[in-house]
Amino acid sequence: SQQGEEDPQALSIQEGENATMNCSYKTSINNLQWYRQNSGRGLVHLILIRSNEREKHSGRLRVTLDTSKKSSSLLITASRAADTASYFCATNMDSNYQLIWGAGTKLIIKP
Amino acid sequence: DAGITQSPRYKITETGRQVTLMCHQTWSHSYMFWYRQDLGHGLRLIYYSAAADITDKGEVPDGYVVSRSKTENFPLTLESATRSQTSVYFCASRGQGLSGNTIYFGEGSWLTVV
Repeated sequence: SQQGEEDPQALSIQEGENATMNCSYKTSINNLQWYRQNSGRGLVHLILIRSNEREKHSGRLRVTLDTSKKSSSLLITASRAADTASYFCATNMDSNYQLIWGAGTKLIIKP
Repeated sequence: DAGITQSPRYKITETGRQVTLMCHQTWSHSYMFWYRQDLGHGLRLIYYSAAADITDKGEVPDGYVVSRSKTENFPLTLESATRSQTSVYFCASRGQGLSGNTIYFGEGSWLTVV
């Protein structure tokens, strides 16, 4: 079953522009995480936001969480070609092991 | 640091054959996971392990077997491979407590069943 659903499925922007991806989920969560996957590689953790947090920053990344709407957004500012990748959100419903993954947003940064 | 390594990275096998994908991590993480990634499905959990000798089924366990005799190793076996098991397989691990919120992934094993 898929808890998180990313939107859009694909996004193509010019280098230097900002990229925004959204994730919606269905049930209450403990935390929500964003991961990046470069083509042909494994996933890499980007940022985690807890259910009691509303916004978090890490370098050029800004994540927001709206638990009332059961949604999160990932903003990448001043995009670079190296940001080209697929981005996945994953939700953790409690303190156990399990993450529920969305199908991802494919981001293409055009030079 | 070596981190988490998977082997083989690429494998082509025939229907009905047994295939084992290996996973090794150097962090002594308690939890280890096997996921498969298929277009349109995101990541789906096959099996996980909370510690050595403790394993449990995930979302899509049918056709797979795992073992965890040592903390650092978590092999995944396809007992009789089927074409529907053609996929990319990712091994992952995490620690415990607050530091365990982040999952670390291997580079993936591309399996084609013909």
